[in-house]
Amino acid sequence: GAGVSQTPSNKVTEKGKYVELRCDPISGHTALYWYRQSLGQGPEFLIYFQGTGAADDSGLPNDRFFAVRPEGSVSTLKIQRTERGDSAVYLCASSSTGGWGYTFGSGTRLTVV
Amino acid sequence: SQQGEEDPQALSIQEGENATMNCSYKTSINNLQWYRQNSGRGLVHLILIRSNEREKHSGRLRVTLDTSKKSSSLLITASRAADTASYFCATTPGGNTPLVFGKGTRLSVIA
Repeated sequence: GAGVSQTPSNKVTEKGKYVELRCDPISGHTALYWYRQSLGQGPEFLIYFQGTGAADDSGLPNDRFFAVRPEGSVSTLKIQRTERGDSAVYLCASSSTGGWGYTFGSGTRLTVV
Repeated sequence: SQQGEEDPQALSIQEGENATMNCSYKTSINNLQWYRQNSGRGLVHLILIRSNEREKHSGRLRVTLDTSKKSSSLLITASRAADTASYFCATTPGGNTPLVFGKGTRLSVIA
């Protein structure tokens, strides 16, 4: 597609459940980024992929968070044993040159109840 | 962690006026970028300024960069109601290092 696609756009889950958030980047973009944004804050970096490998996962808050990009295109962010504090908008972005202007998706709003 | 700090946190102006937002950052950068966000969802890239540039223009946008003060400003001229959004600065030391965003300025343009 022409842009970065994120699904679902909204996800409500119960505390303790497992969730998967999907990101479909712009075709040909080798760099893919996940960010998390809480209300009134700027996006906070979670993990960055260059191709299939996680080049930097220093932003993942703990081992309940994991992300994959097995074929170098679509990426899935996985959150185990969700907590209410995980509620936020999860943003995905892709870039063809890394750091020179990202294209963001519309985000997934995750609500843990 | 967030490197950039935008100032002011919120700004309300009348349509037709100019809006100026400032950003300060802490570490050395390769480039600084400004993004716009409507309704708390996806961000849109507005403009990028490299560390060796001092000023850049794009339509009604003017960005300045002062690396000695580690600060940047975004000026929107002749604002419109449609400019109402949150604006974020983001920096990177270069290469493939991910962007670090500030907390943003919420701009309201009143018709």
